Amino acid sequence: GESVGLHLPTLSVQEGDNSIINCAYSNSASDYFIWYKQESGKGPQFIIDIRSNMDKRQGQRVTVLLNKTVKHLSLQIAATQPGDSAVYFCAENMDNQGGKLIFGQGTELSVKP
Amino acid sequence: DTEVTQTPKHLVMGMTNKKSLKCEQHMGHRAMYWYKQKAKKPPELMFVYSYEKLSINESVPSRFSPECPNSSLLNLHLHALQPEDSALYLCASSQRDSSYEQYFGPGTRLTVT
Repeated sequence: GESVGLHLPTLSVQEGDNSIINCAYSNSASDYFIWYKQESGKGPQFIIDIRSNMDKRQGQRVTVLLNKTVKHLSLQIAATQPGDSAVYFCAENMDNQGGKLIFGQGTELSVKP
Repeated sequence: DTEVTQTPKHLVMGMTNKKSLKCEQHMGHRAMYWYKQKAKKPPELMFVYSYEKLSINESVPSRFSPECPNSSLLNLHLHALQPEDSALYLCASSQRDSSYEQYFGPGTRLTVT
């Protein structure tokens, strides 16, 4: 039978489209946020980070938006490619928590050619 | 060198065995971490070492014993594990144990029989 909690939220997009992955974080005192990409069989790979004194940060093909009012983080990937297929995790950290990263549940991105 | 290496890649052990997982980084990072990741779930922090001293233990059972012999190496000693300890064990490092990017290794896939 099917077990509760084994299925990640999934997002399926067409190659070339833009992707938006959302994350709700838990602690209003968190001051540092990171997006990680995890491909099958690999460890999480850093994509982009943002500090709480910013609301937007852009990288190469990726943008992170932070809305502290509603404790929401999003990752936008422009012109999504098949190589972007992976599980994406947001993570939050507080300076006074000694490096303790709290990860969100993750979203599985599937890119259709 | 921006790589965190982990050995072995895969490990199968019985419940009475003693084994060790190894992690190495040569980025001059002074914080190192062990995480446990079950399938389709986010990484969960187990231990943090800061300047070779254990700074965080997330109430991990004593059958997991971490060791940091020097600033580049991190070990996780395993003894009398249970089948539910089967998971991907990830090592990470960062410049310091506050809001800095954590670099992850590829993980050791552990199966306890």
